[in-house]
Amino acid sequence: SQKIEQNSEALNIQEGKTATLTCNYTNYSPAYLQWYRQDPGRGPVFLLLIRENEKEKRKERLKVTFDTTLKQSLFHITASQPADSATYLCALESEGSYIPTFGRGTSLIVHP
Amino acid sequence: DAEITQSPRHKITETGRQVTLACHQTWNHNNMFWYRQDLGHGLRLIHYSYGVHDTNKGEVSDGYSVSRSNTEDLPLTLESAASSQTSVYFCASSATSTGAYGYTFGSGTRLTVV
Repeated sequence: SQKIEQNSEALNIQEGKTATLTCNYTNYSPAYLQWYRQDPGRGPVFLLLIRENEKEKRKERLKVTFDTTLKQSLFHITASQPADSATYLCALESEGSYIPTFGRGTSLIVHP
Repeated sequence: DAEITQSPRHKITETGRQVTLACHQTWNHNNMFWYRQDLGHGLRLIHYSYGVHDTNKGEVSDGYSVSRSNTEDLPLTLESAASSQTSVYFCASSATSTGAYGYTFGSGTRLTVV
């Protein structure tokens, strides 16, 4: 069966460090992989999208990598700030389906 | 500014009642989606629509229905509310039939069925 796995344990890091979040998947042929940020009591907010034929995408302090051989995406936040504390969700769209399926998210806590 | 709004933000209803959650977007997006979010399950797709008069079932559609009479609105109806439908409901929209530009979400409706 298809699975998207994100670490359920919260990631605690110190301000200024790089946060790295992982999204693993099985039994998908992804066309797109997306990352979202969700704050408590709010809807997810789209951050970045990476296509299956792209290895890396950057946006300001954010970087996403996509390894279709390892079936994994890494999401990096450099120079992290307490304001980056939130839950981060990854979402996959398969070739031909194009309906996003979401992981359960990983909570990031950045300590001042 | 374009936006996607959900109403109400909070709703308490009794078991067996019919409930309708509203979703309105001014992005002029063709594609609209309803998800529910529960602890331990993440976001699960209920129904989606690719345009006016088009509706499709998602992963957890039992007990829910939608209708699309215009581009802006996709109301979600719980035919006979059950306690298992207590959840946070999110509406989303996208410009393309693929997620090539991501999805825009509303702020959610927290529904409690007592």
